Amino acid sequence: DSGVTQTPKHLITATGQRVTLRCSPRSGDLSVYWYQQSLDQGLQFLIQYYNGEERAKGNILERFSAQQFPDLHSELNLSSLELGDSALYFCASSVRAVVSGNTEAFFGQGTRLTVV
Amino acid sequence: GENVEQHPSTLSVQEGDSAVIKCTYSDSASNYFPWYKQELGKGPQLIIDIRSNVGEKKDQRIAVTLNKTAKHFSLHITETQPEDSAVYFCAASRGDSGYSTLTFGKGTMLLVSP
Repeated sequence: DSGVTQTPKHLITATGQRVTLRCSPRSGDLSVYWYQQSLDQGLQFLIQYYNGEERAKGNILERFSAQQFPDLHSELNLSSLELGDSALYFCASSVRAVVSGNTEAFFGQGTRLTVV
Repeated sequence: GENVEQHPSTLSVQEGDSAVIKCTYSDSASNYFPWYKQELGKGPQLIIDIRSNVGEKKDQRIAVTLNKTAKHFSLHITETQPEDSAVYFCAASRGDSGYSTLTFGKGTMLLVSP
């Protein structure tokens, strides 16, 4: 158990809908990262928050947004869903804002989103 | 931005054989190279990492080598066991030198047959 909790584990929704994925980081971790994993693209970085502030942005669509709350949990909002958004969405957390030999990123078990 | 290429995409070996997975990266400023193992239904888990000031690092049956000049690094697993079967991801980041999110390769599915 990595200590990173993601809910829900599975989500099935229709095209055009909006969903919210939730992540609780490990106790004491200030940084949260969101990744999208699809079969052909591997792990794609979406966005990072550190202590409530957006720190880095990757290949995140405009239909997607995220935030980190004062209690450090984070939510990823996906709207106007399309079939191609079906994927595993992972959250990771780390103590510091940078991932290096001194700071490990711990991943949750993911949320599997299926858009039908 | 950083681009990480990983090969092969699938690798099948017999139990006891060695397995090698190779990655190349594009950003010469990258200085931290972790490897993650993802078992079915789970999130990626760090198994070994290497910094750019080191050429090789070993931890029991796994080792990682880094060639900064050629911008490639490899994961070596010796005496493979069925429980080594998983998807392995390499990654690269600039570590403490600034923008430091991990860029991942597309993964290698390792199958170890008994």
